[in-house]
Amino acid sequence: DAKTTQPNSMESNEEEPVHLPCNHSTISGTDYIHWYRQLPSQGPEYVIHGLTSNVNNRMASLAIAEDRKSSTLILHRATLRDAAVYYCILRGSNYGGSQGNLIFGKGTKLSVKP
Amino acid sequence: GAGVSQSPRYKVAKRGQDVALRCDPISGHVSLFWYQQALGQGPEFLTYFQNEAQLDKSGLPSDRFFAERPEGSVSTLKIQRTQQEDSAVYLCASSKKDRDLIAPQHFGDGTRLSIL
Repeated sequence: DAKTTQPNSMESNEEEPVHLPCNHSTISGTDYIHWYRQLPSQGPEYVIHGLTSNVNNRMASLAIAEDRKSSTLILHRATLRDAAVYYCILRGSNYGGSQGNLIFGKGTKLSVKP
Repeated sequence: GAGVSQSPRYKVAKRGQDVALRCDPISGHVSLFWYQQALGQGPEFLTYFQNEAQLDKSGLPSDRFFAERPEGSVSTLKIQRTQQEDSAVYLCASSKKDRDLIAPQHFGDGTRLSIL
């Protein structure tokens, strides 16, 4: 049980910002929010993670709602290479047993139009 | 730097044959995970190693599946007497030792297994 809800698919135009939503209403105080993406014919790739505060890195930004029941992955300028399935995953002691294996849902398939 | 390497990239086998899939994790990574990904689905956990110890094999679908990591680095996933439902992409991931269970996992590009 992934414990997160994401739209099945989204479309974006190249060079425009993309906001990918994720709902995680059952999140607990110690759970981290992680995002991975999977490009076609490749393994998943770590994107970003956060706990309470918004986070930025070279790939994306993560905006976390004040009540932590939802978050949004922001790609500031989508490129064709960003077309992938994006997975929102909760991590911490409540998930993945004692070793932290990832529990994937179906993710959001992002299409980027030139 | 070198990432996680998996081989072969593609494997076709006849039903009933045994197969072995190899994973070379990132050097120094203590944790190693195997996942199975069916077409159109997210990856699902199979088994976990910490160094050479297999600490969790709860995701292995049957006793035909066996994994090992004898020296704490390279790992092999073996499937005996393959069946058509074993057709999937098998992904390997490694990560640093992670007390808080949040370290990013680094994935290989997987082995696509097709059983005829």
